[in-house]
Formats: sequence, C-alpha cells, structure tokens
Amino acid sequence: GEDVEQSLFLSVREGDSSVINCTYTDSSSTYLYWYKQEPGAGLQLLTYIFSNMDMKQDQRLTVLLNKKDKHLSLRIADTQTGDSAIYFCAEGMDSSYKLIFGSGTRLLVRP
Amino acid sequence: GAGVSQTPSNKVTEKGKYVELRCDPISGHTALYWYRQSLGQGPEFLIYFQGTGAADDSGLPNDRFFAVRPEGSVSTLKIQRTERGDSAVYLCASSRGLAGASVEQFFGPGTRLTVL
Repeated sequence: GEDVEQSLFLSVREGDSSVINCTYTDSSSTYLYWYKQEPGAGLQLLTYIFSNMDMKQDQRLTVLLNKKDKHLSLRIADTQTGDSAIYFCAEGMDSSYKLIFGSGTRLLVRP
Repeated sequence: GAGVSQTPSNKVTEKGKYVELRCDPISGHTALYWYRQSLGQGPEFLIYFQGTGAADDSGLPNDRFFAVRPEGSVSTLKIQRTERGDSAVYLCASSRGLAGASVEQFFGPGTRLTVL
C-alpha cells in the first residue's frame, strides 16, 4: 500500500542546519517531493528527486534518497526564521500522477 | 497573476446544502488535480484531469462528490448534500501534463470549506 510518514515537529536555532526525515512504503515510486506550506498559503514545491538518484542539491537544500530503506531527507543549511513552516514529503508515480503526501513536519526556527 | 487560482477562498455552508468550488489552472497546463486537506494532515488526492476527461477519480470519497472540466481549463468541484465531515481545505493543482515533464504540480491557495 501507499503510506508516507514524517515526524511531527522539529525545532532548530537560526543558522543551524535542519534535517527533516520521511519514509515511504511504495517501492514503485518514481518521484519524491518536498513541499513547503506557510500559514494561510498554498503548497510551494521546493524540490524533487527521481528515484534513480541518490542526492540532489539546490542552493541551501540537499535531498538524500536511500531507496533500499525507502528513506528521504531534506537538509536545509543555514536555517532562517523565514524557513519556519510545515514541510510535506510526497511520493508520485509515472502511472498515476497523483501525489501521496505525509502528514507534514512543522519546523520552528528560534532566533 | 500566473499561478493557480481558486474561488471562493472561504465557503461556509449548512449541512445538506450543495456547494461548488472553482479552480483556474495555470494557462497552458493540461493536467489538473483536486486534493483535500483536513486539519493537521497532508493533502489527499481526489481526482485528476488530463484535458477534459477525468483520468483518475479514485480518490473521490463517495458519489456526493463530482468534478468537471468541460473545456479543458477551469474545473469545478461539486459537493452535494454536504456533511460536517466534508469540512476541509480543498486544494487544486495543475501541471503541464506532458510525459516526463508533468512531475511539477503547482498548487493554488485552496478553498476552506466549513459545513455547519
């Protein structure tokens, strides 16, 4: 079955790195995504990775994928207060296009 | 703006009433998706359109929910005989819908539906 799990909450100090973790169950997932949701705002696509990749880096963001363990992580370097939001991990497959989301991780950045 | 827009932003209705929620996708995007997000949860897939046709409606919870996209652009999600459990934020997303290039789904701000 399809299931995506994330820890509920993470608190870091401004300037530190944040690591948000996600596990998924469907080995046929083709793409894995990270979305950001700020209060009252829609979902913003941060980055995504194809399942045949191990790592993707985009400025302050680094995505690591361990396909064997079905584990995905998002590292945010030099975390800023503006990074405070809920981060959603999602999986998608070529065959269906629909995204399966986790419940989200609330990131709080302390000054 | 060039993003996905949804109207209304908020809708309050009474149990048993009929509601329509509208989504305007990004111009040129052939794929359109509806998701529902309950409080404290991630979005859950409802239905996916490719052009005018519903390619996958497996996420619609029951036959009270229906969606249309008659001209392949604007879509309307229709909910009949609303129930309190339908209260949620309804999100619309669109993507280019081309093979290999449809991975990026762009979301609208959502419609918050409250059923009293």
